[in-house]
Amino acid sequence: EADIYQTPRYLVIGTGKKITLECSQTMGHDKMYWYQQDPGMELHLIHYSYGVNSTEKGDLSSESTVSRIRTEHFPLTLESARPSHTSQYLCASSGPQETQYFGPGTRLLVL
Amino acid sequence: KNQVEQSPQSLIILEGKNCTLQCNYTVSPFSNLRWYKQDTGRGPVSLTIMTFSENTKSNGRYTATLDADTKQSSLHITASQLSDSASYICVVSDRGSTLGRLYFGRGTQLTVWP
Repeated sequence: EADIYQTPRYLVIGTGKKITLECSQTMGHDKMYWYQQDPGMELHLIHYSYGVNSTEKGDLSSESTVSRIRTEHFPLTLESARPSHTSQYLCASSGPQETQYFGPGTRLLVL
Repeated sequence: KNQVEQSPQSLIILEGKNCTLQCNYTVSPFSNLRWYKQDTGRGPVSLTIMTFSENTKSNGRYTATLDADTKQSSLHITASQLSDSASYICVVSDRGSTLGRLYFGRGTQLTVWP
């Protein structure tokens, strides 16, 4: 079991609300990632980070933002949630071997 | 177009039976191929990783094969158990960037019945 955690696990929120999805890992990994996954579909990379103060957008356009102030922490923020943001969000980290370790995910429902 | 295609999309087998899942990819240049297992409501967990020179790799009852010439991989599950019920995702990494970009398949949803 990987030491990577996500909170909350489930979130139901109204349109227009600001939300922050938390992700933390205790493995000392420099690289961290955020993916979006819809049911039956592949994972899409929305943000990644090589280390502290490094953040990049991924392949899938996203209205979310991320920050990396500490190595172990990589939160994702949606300033104004919309129903189209309803999805599962997976956080991952990787070390020198490049194998990605995933958190349990946050299932977001925007009403 | 997704560069990693998996088949079948879903599969139901009886407990104790064997099964084989397929993955075809067009990713180039190729770096490595991973199989992940994703339980419902959880994040994916790595099962195997194979590089260009490896043909077969086992992890308990899971055996992955790779044919880099035909760009095909398979995951064989022996003596299936109820706990094998999950989505199995094929992930291919390229060598085209420092990030080592990952290409994800949509997964095969395996259900094992008692």
